[in-house]
Amino acid sequence: QSVLTQPPSVSGAPGQRVTISCTGSSSNIGAGYDVQWYQQLPGTAPKLLIYGNSNRPSGVPERFSGSKSGASASLAITGLQAEDEADYYCQSYDRSLTGSGVFGTGTKVTVL
Amino acid sequence: QLQLQESGPGLVKPSETLSLTCTVSGGSISSSSYYWGWIRQPPGEGLEWIASIYYTGSTYCNPSLKSRVTKSVDTSKNQFSLKLSSVTAADTAVYYCARHSWVGWEYYFDYWGQGTLVTVSS
Repeated sequence: QSVLTQPPSVSGAPGQRVTISCTGSSSNIGAGYDVQWYQQLPGTAPKLLIYGNSNRPSGVPERFSGSKSGASASLAITGLQAEDEADYYCQSYDRSLTGSGVFGTGTKVTVL
Repeated sequence: QLQLQESGPGLVKPSETLSLTCTVSGGSISSSSYYWGWIRQPPGEGLEWIASIYYTGSTYCNPSLKSRVTKSVDTSKNQFSLKLSSVTAADTAVYYCARHSWVGWEYYFDYWGQGTLVTVSS
């Protein structure tokens, strides 16, 4: 029941830049709620990558950046590396469902 | 360093109740700044928020699961728990517990447990 839509997959060669979109609505991202991004490596728990639309937690490389505009958000990975191959999820809050943290559909990033 | 650890049976029979506990170490579950949540991920699928609880006992739940979910917190043990009743095969998933911030416009999960696979099968 994901309410945030992401492309199923994106790919790029090492060193390239890739972007992942996250489209929401007027009850979540468009209402002004922050967007977060999580990286999930195979067989592991999700890891917070970006919070508050564009902030990186300590230890997250600068090649990961986030932005938000209107009811959408984007995650950019510059200088793509082999270890970036993972699933990425956006996440926000939806005011139509009190207390509800909503996740995106997820995007698989493949490093060619 | 804050750590969260899920515990509970890995196999539950259909129609029975799934019970999970999350033990928090390296920090207090009674922190006024954070909520504590449950998220699940069916095999090969995406993430689904299940429920969140505050140390005072205030709770929030995904409407699609609300009728089957019971949440609780035990501050003396630094634990919080989830019960999901009348399970079916569709409830088979990796269940994660996580800490989350919920202030103003921000709502995010910053610390996660490693996850525990719960399989519903007879």
